[in-house]
Amino acid sequence: GEQVEQRPPHLSVREGDSAVITCTYTDPNSYYFFWYKQEPGASLQLLMKVFSSTEINEGQGFTVLLNKKDKRLSLNLTAAHPGDSAAYFCAVRGPNNNAPRFGAGTKLSVKP
Amino acid sequence: DAGVTQTPRHEVAEKGQTIILKCEPVSGHNDLFWYRQTKIQGLELLSYFRSKSLMEDGGAFKDRFKAEMLNSSFSTLKIQPTEPKDSAVYLCASSPRGDSYEQYFGPGTRLTVL
Repeated sequence: GEQVEQRPPHLSVREGDSAVITCTYTDPNSYYFFWYKQEPGASLQLLMKVFSSTEINEGQGFTVLLNKKDKRLSLNLTAAHPGDSAAYFCAVRGPNNNAPRFGAGTKLSVKP
Repeated sequence: DAGVTQTPRHEVAEKGQTIILKCEPVSGHNDLFWYRQTKIQGLELLSYFRSKSLMEDGGAFKDRFKAEMLNSSFSTLKIQPTEPKDSAVYLCASSPRGDSYEQYFGPGTRLTVL
């Protein structure tokens, strides 16, 4: 089955710095990809979703890049601020009506 | 609209007890998922239902974990018997039918097994 590896498990940056979180997956047939944010004491909430081929999606202060050739998904916070401190999880969904598989998560800490 | 509801929010059990966790998905959602969240393992799939039919069962959890969808708006997760290693946060999520849709997560139930 699908295996998702997420790196790094912990990331500490200063306010204004960039931060990059990367996930790699194994099933080349996977086609839906998600990033979730989990703030302390709260549950997971969708940050962004991305589909198909090499794609860049830009949100408020972050960029998601999907490279299907390398089976890699990345989340790039361009200028982190303390409100971004949270755990981030990638999720990958493949064919055959399987449930999404999650990376182990990255705990991001942004210091003022 | 109400989000995913989970009860109880906290549960403390003695080793060997049976516990039942409850979940109400977002109204109209067809897919329902149970995950276990720990710091070491992250999110592990326990069960996945589509329109009340079991689509996928987390292989490592089949012996003591049983999830059911009694109707389209209510699901339970039974752990029997509980063991200390079951201490974790149990998350329920739902989504509309279709693989492209994101999951909506409940607040979770924190289980402590003594």
